[in-house]
Amino acid sequence: AQSVTQLDSQVPVFEEAPVELRCNYSSSVSVYLFWYVQYPNQGLQLLLKYLSGSTLVKGINGFEAEFNKSQTSFHLRKPSVHISDTAEYFCAVTATGGGNKLTFGTGTQLKVEL
Amino acid sequence: AAGVIQSPRHLIKEKRETATLKCYPIPRHDTVYWYQQGPGQDPQFLISFYEKMQSDKGSIPDRFSAQQFSDYHSELNMSSLELGDSALYFCASSLGGYSGNTIYFGEGSWLTVV
Repeated sequence: AQSVTQLDSQVPVFEEAPVELRCNYSSSVSVYLFWYVQYPNQGLQLLLKYLSGSTLVKGINGFEAEFNKSQTSFHLRKPSVHISDTAEYFCAVTATGGGNKLTFGTGTQLKVEL
Repeated sequence: AAGVIQSPRHLIKEKRETATLKCYPIPRHDTVYWYQQGPGQDPQFLISFYEKMQSDKGSIPDRFSAQQFSDYHSELNMSSLELGDSALYFCASSLGGYSGNTIYFGEGSWLTVV
């Protein structure tokens, strides 16, 4: 089984500042990693995913994440946030080579302030 | 582009009643997933179907059942509703049920049990 830990439940940041949302995972098998964003009263939208290859993954809206196998981490970063980035961000994992069941972390609420 | 369509978007039921949620996947997608997200919680996987057959099962209560029809739409049936069933229910779809395939989420159906 897999598990995901998002240590920060809330991250306040000023507009145009950089941000990092932390994600650590635990698994006895190889995994694929995902970041989803959920805007208020909306569904989940895929930001980016890591399957293989380069450990630095670029996604939509200027976000990127780096897979670190030794630290079992997949932190999400953005060099300059905008007020419209205010949302809940979920890190998720699924085991490779099998079904596509996602296990989510508890989410991080990013609040961008002026 | 067409997205995952869920209906109804909002539903209010009384305890012990039955509710049915419908999901229409993105055209040509053959895999459907159901997730439950309680207030302030992360989405929890309930069940998935690939080519109309159940492909994986998560923490779905015995009171719930689901199926995928010949046109690939899916329905989640919930009986003997309890207050704790109040949640946002997401349907999602993907092309192929293999690990790593991008999963696209609908906007969810809000179920309130009173």
